[in-house]
Parts: sequence; structure tokens; C-alpha cells
Amino acid sequence: GAGVSQTPSNKVTEKGKYVELRCDPISGHTALYWYRQSLGQGPEFLIYFQGTGAADDSGLPNDRFFAVRPEGSVSTLKIQRTERGDSAVYLCASSLGPSSEAFFGQGTRLTVV
Amino acid sequence: AQSVSQHNHHVILSEAASLELGCNYSYGGTVNLFWYVQYPGQHLQLLLKYFSGDPLVKGIKGFEAEFIKSKFSFNLRKPSVQWSDTAEYFCAVYPGGGADGLTFGKGTHLIIQP
Repeated sequence: GAGVSQTPSNKVTEKGKYVELRCDPISGHTALYWYRQSLGQGPEFLIYFQGTGAADDSGLPNDRFFAVRPEGSVSTLKIQRTERGDSAVYLCASSLGPSSEAFFGQGTRLTVV
Repeated sequence: AQSVSQHNHHVILSEAASLELGCNYSYGGTVNLFWYVQYPGQHLQLLLKYFSGDPLVKGIKGFEAEFIKSKFSFNLRKPSVQWSDTAEYFCAVYPGGGADGLTFGKGTHLIIQP
């Protein structure tokens, strides 16, 4: 497809478990972003990749969160030892470069029980 | 760090009414400004953006926004709303030249009554 694809669309996990969320950006987009959206809030920036490297990971809340983009395309957001407070919709976006229009995926709704 | 304030969290209007959603940001430098819309069950989509030039920008579906630098504002307007405009609207700021992602406001839930 032509858009940003995120899998799974929904994920329910038990507290303390490890989860991986996947993002397939639009082909050719070098910039990739992860955001987290809690209920009643706007998306909150987590991390930005330019190519394979994390250009800015200042939004990651703590060291349980980690993201990779090894080949400069698909990205995986990894959350260790999940907590109930991690429950949110995790959004991925891609663009041609910083400050260009960002195209968002549908998001992964993570529920930690 | 920059922040974005959207003053109206819930707005209910009748069809054909005029719309104005407020957005104020706090950042002293050059900014790029955006409005995104999220229709029910859909992903975030860009409505319009301001980078430079004419402070009155026009977007899709008849929306427009005006950048007023002295007021740090970027309010969204539409002269006559339609039922299909029911959605969540987010104002966002990108600091020019920075490597950060967008900073979003909390959003405004707009309901248009037929």
C-alpha cells in the first residue's frame, strides 16, 4: 500500500511482558517518527529517525523503551517490562525529511492488563 | 521546550455555522505550524501547514488558518461547516531547523449537528 502501515493494530499484554510494535513507512521516506497518544491527549513525540540512526530520542520516557530502524526503512518500537501506564495508541509517521509533511499510520492500540 | 495550547476541547456546532478553533504556541524562534485532522476511525491527516510567506494559508476542504506572529497564534477557520467535518483537530508546531518531532496540542473534538 501507499501509506504508513503499523502492526499489530491492537495488542493486549500482561504487565511485565515485552512487546514489539512495527512500522512500515512510505517507501522513500527517510524520516520516521514514533508518537504516543493517551486518551484525551494529543500525540506525544517519542523518537525520530533520519535514515538508520536515531536523530532524537529525547521523548522516550525511560530506558524500558527502545526503537530501531536497522535498514533505514521498517522500524520497531520495543517496550520491556510493560506497565499499565504504557497503555496508549502508538503512532508512527514518516516524511521525506524533517519539517516536511508527516504521514501517519493508523496506530497500534496497546493495552497492558 | 515548546508547547501548544488548544483552548476549546469540545465544540458543538450546527451545519452551516462558522468555525474558529484557537491554537497558541510557545516558542521564541522560527516555527512551522500545522493543523491535523482525525476523522472517526481514520488516521491523522494534514489539513494545512504554514512554513513562511503569506500568513493566511488555505488547506483542504475549505479550511484556512492565519498565523499571527505577535500573538503566537495559528487559529483554524471555516466559514460554513458540514456534518462531515465532525472529527478531532490537532494543532502542531515544528521548531524550524530542529531535529525534534512535532509538538501537538491536546486536540479539539468537533461535533457538527445536522
